[in-house]
Amino acid sequence: QQQVKQSPQSLIVQKGGISIINCAYENTAFDYFPWYQQFPGKGPALLIAIRPDVSEKKEGRFTISFNKSAKQFSLHIMDSQPGDSATYFCAAHNDYKLSFGAGTTVTVRA
Amino acid sequence: DAGVIQSPRHEVTEMGQEVTLRCKPISGHNSLFWYRQTMMRGLELLIYFNNNVPIDDSGMPEDRFSAKMPNASFSTLKIQPSEPRDSAVYFCASSLFGQTSEQYFGPGTRLTVT
Repeated sequence: QQQVKQSPQSLIVQKGGISIINCAYENTAFDYFPWYQQFPGKGPALLIAIRPDVSEKKEGRFTISFNKSAKQFSLHIMDSQPGDSATYFCAAHNDYKLSFGAGTTVTVRA
Repeated sequence: DAGVIQSPRHEVTEMGQEVTLRCKPISGHNSLFWYRQTMMRGLELLIYFNNNVPIDDSGMPEDRFSAKMPNASFSTLKIQPSEPRDSAVYFCASSLFGQTSEQYFGPGTRLTVT
């Protein structure tokens, strides 16, 4: 069964808008929560990550919000650009394993 | 710096043939992972090596799949015999030991078995 549930499956946003992707988990042993960005024909690339003792992390236009009590975390893409069009995967780390969400395909319309 | 290198990038083969996928991890990384990506199942971990030793192969789907890491700079994933349901994108990723939370993926090999 999938240990990390991700939604929505896809989203379309206008240039300059905000994209929001949500993930939820059950396993409280997870100790690190990275997000990966994947372009067609490429491998997933680490985008931004957060530890569970932090509620928010911001890197440029990308922000992770983390709610430990709710076991949920989300990625916000501010001022979305056409170059942000990609598939985004949330993940959760435990021991040596990364458990990935199913992915969200983001399309930014110019 | 060179990232994770995989070859070939594309492989088309007929059912029953042997397929070998290759990976060169980032220099200095001592943890290596093989993943399979499909639309139906997403990203699945197949096998994890640490210091060239297989630690977890529970994700290897069948005995038809095998993986080796003869040295720190090279790993192979072999499928013998291949079947159409093996068609997928196979990724290799590497990380520093103790930092397996930050894995760096190669460009992948797209395998098509007809």
